[in-house]
Amino acid sequence: GEDVEQSLFLSVREGDSSVINCTYTDSSSTYLYWYKQEPGAGLQLLTYIFSNMDMKQDQRLTVLLNKKDKHLSLRIADTQTGDSAIYFCAEGKDAGNMLTFGGGTRLMVKP
Amino acid sequence: GAVVSQHPSWVICKSGTSVKIECRSLDFQATTMFWYRQFPKQSLMLMATSNEGSKATYEQGVEKDKFLINHASLTLSTLTVTSAHPEDSSFYICSVPRGAETQYFGPGTRLLVL
Repeated sequence: GEDVEQSLFLSVREGDSSVINCTYTDSSSTYLYWYKQEPGAGLQLLTYIFSNMDMKQDQRLTVLLNKKDKHLSLRIADTQTGDSAIYFCAEGKDAGNMLTFGGGTRLMVKP
Repeated sequence: GAVVSQHPSWVICKSGTSVKIECRSLDFQATTMFWYRQFPKQSLMLMATSNEGSKATYEQGVEKDKFLINHASLTLSTLTVTSAHPEDSSFYICSVPRGAETQYFGPGTRLLVL
C-alpha cells in the first residue's frame, strides 16, 4: 500500500536553515503537501507542489521534489523559534481524495 | 482567517455517552469532507470520507455504527462517537478539499473519555 515516511526529529539553531525530508512510495501521487501542526492545534497548510514540478519557493519555504527517487523536502530559511512545530508531508491524487500522511517531523529551534 | 471550523474544541465525557463533533466549511461548499484521527505523538489516520447526499465511506477497521457520519449540507459534516469509551480518546480533525489542489483542515476536537 501507500507509505509516506519522515524522520522523527530535527533540531536547528535560530537563524539556520532547516531541511525536512520525506519519502513516499505511490508513484501516481499528483500533489504533495507540507502541513504544520503546533501543539494542540490543527493542521496548517504550508505549501504544496504538483508532481510535474521540481521546485516551488514561497518566501522562506522551498520545496524540492525528486520524482524519480520519490523524495520530497521542505527547506525553511532563517528558521525562527516560531517555526518549532511538527511538520507533516502528505501525498494525494488530488485534494478531492484522501491524503496519506507521513509520521511527522518534530522541528525544534534553539535560540 | 480560518476556512474550516470544528465544534467543540474540547470535550470530556463519561464512558458510554455519545459525542457529536461538527465540521463546517466557512467560505465554500464541499460535497466531500474527510475525518481523521490522531493519537498522541502519531500521524493522522483517515477514518472516513463524508459524502453529501450519500453514505459515508469508512476506512478498514473503522466501525461505521460507532462513528456515525452525517453530511447534512454542503458546508456541514458531523461525526458522532456513539457509546464512547476511553480508547476513543483522541484528536479528531476534519478536512475539506477546495478545488483540485488544496485541502484545508479544521482546528481539531480533542476528546477525552473518562
